[in-house]
Amino acid sequence: NAGVTQTPKFQVLKTGQSMTLQCAQDMNHEYMSWYRQDPGMGLRLIHYSVGAGITDQGEVPNGYNVSRSTTEDFPLRLLSAAPSQTSVYFCASSYGRGLSPLHFGNGTRLTVT
Amino acid sequence: GDSVTQMEGPVTLSEEAFLTINCTYTATGYPSLFWYVQYPGEGLQLLLKATKADDKGSNKGFEATYRKETTSFHLEKGSVQVSDSAVYFCALSENSGGSNYKLTFGKGTLLTVNP
Repeated sequence: NAGVTQTPKFQVLKTGQSMTLQCAQDMNHEYMSWYRQDPGMGLRLIHYSVGAGITDQGEVPNGYNVSRSTTEDFPLRLLSAAPSQTSVYFCASSYGRGLSPLHFGNGTRLTVT
Repeated sequence: GDSVTQMEGPVTLSEEAFLTINCTYTATGYPSLFWYVQYPGEGLQLLLKATKADDKGSNKGFEATYRKETTSFHLEKGSVQVSDSAVYFCALSENSGGSNYKLTFGKGTLLTVNP
């Protein structure tokens, strides 16, 4: 079982560049989400989706876009990278959004210079 | 709003020592409580959970009891191993209206176990 797969593992961007962080899950989970993890800040929710075609903002959505065209994929787009977006990004999925545990990918470490 | 407060780390123990990581929460209703663990270079994974007051979650020798009267969910293990070295996150999930739930994480506690 692949679970939740994130690519790339590492990325360095210059300020103003754009990129897409990929996330795919093979568990037929309805709910998918993106978090960023920063030292001393814990995990903060960026965007989430409760199903194909449905997305919503989390706690820190500014500077990020998402779409959910299929159940499996939930890419995160940075349109114009800023140094404040240097972080480790995690994609997570679950069967539902209530009591079901989240399954996390192994993360993408992004550095913006 | 909901919040989760965990003891600040880092916590450093010797192998076979007793572990407690404190977690307290604030919620408006009746949340479910979770502990997640993050090993180096990996994403978080569920360690244990409890869905109602006085429930005890347990897994891999770790335990935590949902204490509504003290709004706490402290993580314990009787004898830690080097392989338990990781970051531990306490979290709560609460219904925020209809079928929507909000998941709130604590900031994490780094545990290092020395041989």
